Amino acid sequence: DIQMTQSPSTLSASVGDRVTITCRASQSISSWLAWYQQKPGKAPKFLIYKASTLESGVPSRFSGSGSGTEFSLTISSLQPDDFATYYCQQYNNYPWTFGQGTKVEIK
Amino acid sequence: EVQLVQSGAEVKKPGESLKISCTGFGYSFTNNWIGWVRQMPGKGLEWMGIIYPGDSETRYNPSFQGQVTISADKSISTAYLQWTSLKASDTAMYYCARAFGVVLLGYFDLWGRGTLVTVSS
Repeated sequence: DIQMTQSPSTLSASVGDRVTITCRASQSISSWLAWYQQKPGKAPKFLIYKASTLESGVPSRFSGSGSGTEFSLTISSLQPDDFATYYCQQYNNYPWTFGQGTKVEIK
Repeated sequence: EVQLVQSGAEVKKPGESLKISCTGFGYSFTNNWIGWVRQMPGKGLEWMGIIYPGDSETRYNPSFQGQVTISADKSISTAYLQWTSLKASDTAMYYCARAFGVVLLGYFDLWGRGTLVTVSS
């Protein structure tokens, strides 16, 4: 299985901060990576596919980049609604695998 | 409205069987893959498997193969996740989600609200 490792596990930030979450794959996955946001008690919300393509309706402050084994999710100016846990997911190989999650909390 | 509606929370005893459901509305259920994702209490997301309702082709995560059965009834736009003998370690939230992909199938663009399964004696 391809292992997906996110860093950091927890990130403390303030409203307006620029934050970046990193996701590393144990082998190359080309650009077959998705990002999700999950708030407590809620289902995940789909944000980005193919590493950098924003799903329709997702605010433009979110962006994704990377290819191969190194990827990142950036929030350009953190908003109150963005405090949540974020997951990456590879779909280059079966079984599809998720990172362990990065919790973005209020500083 | 495009949505996935999951069946309600379940409380079961170890050894019991269970089948939970996920019904799609507002899109072509038959022609889109549906997947199941497990989230154990306080933990991350785990991909269990997917099914194509059109022909019931199924792909399992080897970690879950033999432990659960994924099925679908396209006539009622419903997918299922089934256990024959539950264990306490099956206690989790189970999400169904539509699997989609531009060029390559692989991400979940529409999610149900989840079904909480609690297994306790």
